[in-house]
Amino acid sequence: VIWMTQSPSLLSASTGDRVTISCRMSQGISSYLAWYQQKPGKAPELLIYAASTLQSGVPSRFSGSGSGTDFTLTISCLQSEDFATYYCQQYYSFPWTFGQGTKVEIK
Amino acid sequence: QLQLQESGPGLVKPSETLSLTCTVSGGSISSSSYYWGWIRQPPGKGLEWIGSIYYSGSTYYNPSLKSRVTISVDTSKNQFSLKLSSVTAADTAVYYCARPTPYGVDYWGQGTLVTVSS
Repeated sequence: VIWMTQSPSLLSASTGDRVTISCRMSQGISSYLAWYQQKPGKAPELLIYAASTLQSGVPSRFSGSGSGTDFTLTISCLQSEDFATYYCQQYYSFPWTFGQGTKVEIK
Repeated sequence: QLQLQESGPGLVKPSETLSLTCTVSGGSISSSSYYWGWIRQPPGKGLEWIGSIYYSGSTYYNPSLKSRVTISVDTSKNQFSLKLSSVTAADTAVYYCARPTPYGVDYWGQGTLVTVSS
């Protein structure tokens, strides 16, 4: 099983801020990493796959980087609709696993 | 536009079997080379992969649940199903059906809360 450490678990920020979320793997996964956004009471939505490829329709203020064991999600200019919980997920090997989540809240 | 919809009981007694069905609309479950899967999320917690099935019937289960999980597919109804046996309160969660791809999980159902309680 590939374990994932996602940090921070809680991030307080203001509209317009640049925020970064980290995800570290227990072993290398090449670029088989996705990022999701989840709002309360809703299913997660795919933001980024292959570590850095933006899913169709996702705003360009979202970006992803990294490979191997260390990955980052960056929101360049936080908007009101971006306050949500974010998860990383590896799909390099079964069982696919998710990070613990990062809640981005209004400061 | 592909849509997935979970259905099934919202309350299950301890030691019994949880059964959910996912109906796929807007596309055929067997017309493309995709797996179909189940993911759950306990209240206030993170996401856990339960397992996946190909339209041909081949499956992969999370080893942590493997002894209790069965996922099946009914291509004639465009549905796939989840059975989780011997449930306890720890199985209380929102259960999502989803479409895992080589590029992440691109389609999700809205989720259904299943509570395990007597």
